[in-house]
Amino acid sequence: DIVMTQSPDSLAVSLGERATINCKSSQSVLYSSNNKNYLAWYQQKPGQPPKLLIYWASTRESGVPDRFSGSGSGTDFTLTISSLRAEDVAVYYCQQYYDAPITFGQGTRLDIK
Amino acid sequence: EVQLVESGGALVQPGGSLRLSCAASGFTFSNSRMDWVRHAPGKRLVWVSRFRTDGDEGDRIAYADSVKGRFTISRDNAKNTLYLQMTSLRAEDTAVYYCTRSGSSGVFLSWGQGTLVTVSS
Repeated sequence: DIVMTQSPDSLAVSLGERATINCKSSQSVLYSSNNKNYLAWYQQKPGQPPKLLIYWASTRESGVPDRFSGSGSGTDFTLTISSLRAEDVAVYYCQQYYDAPITFGQGTRLDIK
Repeated sequence: EVQLVESGGALVQPGGSLRLSCAASGFTFSNSRMDWVRHAPGKRLVWVSRFRTDGDEGDRIAYADSVKGRFTISRDNAKNTLYLQMTSLRAEDTAVYYCTRSGSSGVFLSWGQGTLVTVSS
């Protein structure tokens, strides 16, 4: 199975500041035939199910604010929130869908400093 | 608007059985890949099973190794409902079970609110 490892496990950022979450896969999730990274990011707020933010590593899901962006390729990926808002407090998960079984990172808890 | 409503979660003894249901609306269910994902307390999300509508008949259903032989996924397209029959339940199956509408590649596009399964004596 592909192991997804996120860092840090938790972080606190001031309102209006940048938040950066990293995700590393144990093997490449870049499919060479279509040059796509099979990597997604989800946001889970307290008491709610996860919500898709980003897929193909950098494509924002419809309706997701543009302060959320994804980058990276191969085995190293980053989710960036450019200017943190109070409603962004949540746990964030990365997920690979390159190979079965689909696997998730352990989650990163984001709080306000 | 896509809606996924899970039901059927309960407290069950080890070795017991449960059937989860997921009522879907707001999209063409019969053409959609559907998955089950679970989330145990303090643990990461874990994919459980999928039911695709494309590809070879024999490849449309898949399970995580941890549930293979104990869980069965099925769907009733006439009722727009996805099911997960769970047998020989173990303590480690305790989790919130989410039904998802999924992209063909395995992105989980929409999630239900989840249903809690607790396996304990």
